[in-house]
Amino acid sequence: KAGVTQTPRYLIKTRGQQVTLSCSPISGHRSVSWYQQTPGQGLQFLFEYFSETQRNKGNFPGRFSGRQFSNSRSEMNVSTLELGDSALYLCASSLGPEGAYEQYFGPGTRLTVT
Amino acid sequence: AQSVAQPEDQVNVAEGNPLTVKCTYSVSGNPYLFWYVQYPNRGLQFLLKYITGDNLVKGSYGFEAEFNKSQTSFHLKKPSALVSDSALYFCAVRDMGAGNMLTFGGGTRLMVKP
Repeated sequence: KAGVTQTPRYLIKTRGQQVTLSCSPISGHRSVSWYQQTPGQGLQFLFEYFSETQRNKGNFPGRFSGRQFSNSRSEMNVSTLELGDSALYLCASSLGPEGAYEQYFGPGTRLTVT
Repeated sequence: AQSVAQPEDQVNVAEGNPLTVKCTYSVSGNPYLFWYVQYPNRGLQFLLKYITGDNLVKGSYGFEAEFNKSQTSFHLKKPSALVSDSALYFCAVRDMGAGNMLTFGGGTRLMVKP
């Protein structure tokens, strides 16, 4: 089975712009979660989607948003980019939203904001 | 609220020696516990999980972890370390009923020297 794929892998944007990141889960996985990884803050939960519905949201400003499509693919969007948004954004998929399922992570999208 | 602590930023061990990477957690209910490993410029790779049952959990690449409810710990162990085990290790917890949101520890860098 193919793993979780994320596009693009690398992205450079300037402050004030917006960006959209894409995630394709493992086939059959219906739950997608997003995390931000930075050296200072570590791994932080952004949000989780299941059946096209946001189930959980982390403590991030409204500039961070996401959605999930009927084929379980997901996108996240960051508007009005700030320098502090520079990070590795990781997408993870699991069979379902139940907590016992492990999440499988993609390679991430490295976002640099200049 | 749920939290995870990895008290060691780095663990150094000689190849062939046993290794332990420590993790303690805090949740309001019963925990689901996970270990992940991250290699440079890669996403997180699932190693093992504790859901219920036997306190000793075996996972990928010869790793195992012991769940200790009284000490709220979930230490990762391997009887004989390999140089290729050198990577960043993350412990994560999810409170039952808290959906799919994983809370990660800060990570521990494992260095295995030949």
